[in-house]
Amino acid sequence: KAGVTQTPRYLIKTRGQQVTLSCSPISGHRSVSWYQQTPGQGLQFLFEYFSETQRNKGNFPGRFSGRQFSNSRSEMNVSTLELGDSALYLCASSLELGAGEKLFFGSGTQLSVL
Amino acid sequence: AQSVSQHNHHVILSEAASLELGCNYSYGGTVNLFWYVQYPGQHLQLLLKYFSGDPLVKGIKGFEAEFIKSKFSFNLRKPSVQWSDTAEYFCAVRGNFNKFYFGSGTKLNVKP
Repeated sequence: KAGVTQTPRYLIKTRGQQVTLSCSPISGHRSVSWYQQTPGQGLQFLFEYFSETQRNKGNFPGRFSGRQFSNSRSEMNVSTLELGDSALYLCASSLELGAGEKLFFGSGTQLSVL
Repeated sequence: AQSVSQHNHHVILSEAASLELGCNYSYGGTVNLFWYVQYPGQHLQLLLKYFSGDPLVKGIKGFEAEFIKSKFSFNLRKPSVQWSDTAEYFCAVRGNFNKFYFGSGTKLNVKP
């Protein structure tokens, strides 16, 4: 069974640009969540999707948005990039939406904003 | 606001030493608690989790964690570490509204 796939693996952008990251969950998983990982900050929750609906949202500005498609694949978009957006963006999937669900993580997309 | 604190950012141990990584959270309601681990070059993966019942939970590779509600803590333990335990460990809490809160991580370096 294929794991969570994130593309691209690396991205270099300049300030003011926008970027779209993609996440394909494990087959059969219906919930996808996104996290921003930076050294010393750990993982910060961005948002969670289930059945094409955003179910939870973290404390990030509106420049960060996402969506989920009918096949459970998800995309995350960041507009008007800032230097501070440089981070590893992780996607995780789980079978269902629930507090006890085990998360399966992808390798992440390393975003560098110059 | 909810938060998760991991007290040790970097721990260095020799093989066979005992390990305890601290995790405290701030949230007054019902919580689900997790420890995730990231081995070098690998994805984050679940080590163990607590939902209810016995506050002492056992995970993979000989790890265990104890939920102490009165102390808002969920410390991770292993009696005897191995070189292969070298990794970064993240404590996570999932409370109200199902949002996940992760700690900043603890890097464990086990010397052979």
